[in-house]
Amino acid sequence: GQQLNQSPQSMFIQEGEDVSMNCTSSSIFNTWLWYKQDPGEGPVLLIALYKAGELTSNGRLTAQFGITRKDSFLNISASIPSDVGIYFCAGPETSGSRLTFGEGTQLTVNP
Amino acid sequence: EPEVTQTPSHQVTQMGQEVILRCVPISNHLYFYWYRQILGQKVEFLVSFYNNEISEKSEIFDDQFSVERPDGSNFTLKIRSTKLEDSAMYFCASSEEWVGQPQHFGDGTRLSIL
Repeated sequence: GQQLNQSPQSMFIQEGEDVSMNCTSSSIFNTWLWYKQDPGEGPVLLIALYKAGELTSNGRLTAQFGITRKDSFLNISASIPSDVGIYFCAGPETSGSRLTFGEGTQLTVNP
Repeated sequence: EPEVTQTPSHQVTQMGQEVILRCVPISNHLYFYWYRQILGQKVEFLVSFYNNEISEKSEIFDDQFSVERPDGSNFTLKIRSTKLEDSAMYFCASSEEWVGQPQHFGDGTRLSIL
């Protein structure tokens, strides 16, 4: 199956800082999804990207669908303590709709 | 905002016992999924379901697993004879369309096998 590689694995930042994380694949994805997972809860959809080159914002979050369709990044501006959690990229495999998830980026925000 | 609901939130079961995890997908969604997440690991696909039949399943979804939509609202995952390695969070998800529409996840059932 397809694999998604996320980096960094973890980040420790101060409140107010901007954050950038990315996701790469060896194969093409036609949709990129970014989810956030808080402890003990399910993944919550943050942003969905459908077109190569697309740049989409959701509040302080901005994500881009790479031109090659093999990568995506997520930026968080002016981080706040509630941004703490694990951020996953995900995409549907080309043969169907099963989502492949990345390993996640664990974000810690120090007040 | 409509959401996927799962029950129970935590299930503790003896090894070898059968367990049924329940989900109520978002009401206008047609495609349903089960995923699992072993502690500290990424989310892994188990099975997708549409029109009362399995559309896709992963290599994890062996003969011990089954899914059912017993009525118009519930979607269940049954594990026939649980093993220690079945301990994980199990997430149900649903989407409006097969490909392209994002999947929305429930808060999961934590399954602990003793």
